[in-house]
Amino acid sequence: GAVVSQHPSRVICKSGTSVKIECRSLDFQATTMFWYRQFPKQSLMLMATSNEGSKATYEQGVEKDKFLINHASLTLSTLTVTSAHPEDSSFYICSAIDRSGNTIYFGEGSWLTVV
Amino acid sequence: KNEVEQSPQNLTAQEGEFITINCSYSVGISALHWLQQHPGGGIVSLFMLSSGKKKHGRLIATINIQEKHSSLHITASHPRDSAVYICALLAQFYFGTGTSLTVIP
Repeated sequence: GAVVSQHPSRVICKSGTSVKIECRSLDFQATTMFWYRQFPKQSLMLMATSNEGSKATYEQGVEKDKFLINHASLTLSTLTVTSAHPEDSSFYICSAIDRSGNTIYFGEGSWLTVV
Repeated sequence: KNEVEQSPQNLTAQEGEFITINCSYSVGISALHWLQQHPGGGIVSLFMLSSGKKKHGRLIATINIQEKHSSLHITASHPRDSAVYICALLAQFYFGTGTSLTVIP
């Protein structure tokens, strides 16, 4: 069945560096992917909607220059956390909806720790 | 106030027990999703509901659109059911805070 793969699953980086997280739809094309953030014991929060071939749509309060999203192909969206700070440490997860619009698939998620 | 409220927040059950998780929402919807988040963080969509009831194995999900309420039931619970169950209105990107279920052998 359709799978969304996310990489890396865990990453530790130093403050001030940038980290890239990849989200791939493995056997279907996803014109739209979604990026979420989840703090411990809290709800998923939509960060942005990634649109293939165009600019991402960011939710209010999410800094587009800090969380760079690129959706260069129908199977790949990337989230780059730039100039990471410890407060960016969180669980980041992506999702994509198949062409029927009826099924949503989530990536495995990425645990980011900024030290 | 969160648009999606779940209860209970935490639930511990003995293996074999019947489990119910409730979800109430405050906005009009076209569909409601039940998601399962594993301890490692990965999320799986269990059900998408727009009306009535759906069953998949030991899992049953119901929704009452008029009352803005949905329930997820697990029959004959098993330790492998231990996870966080999230009620979500994905079209509006509203998520419940989840119900952490632990099933004890």
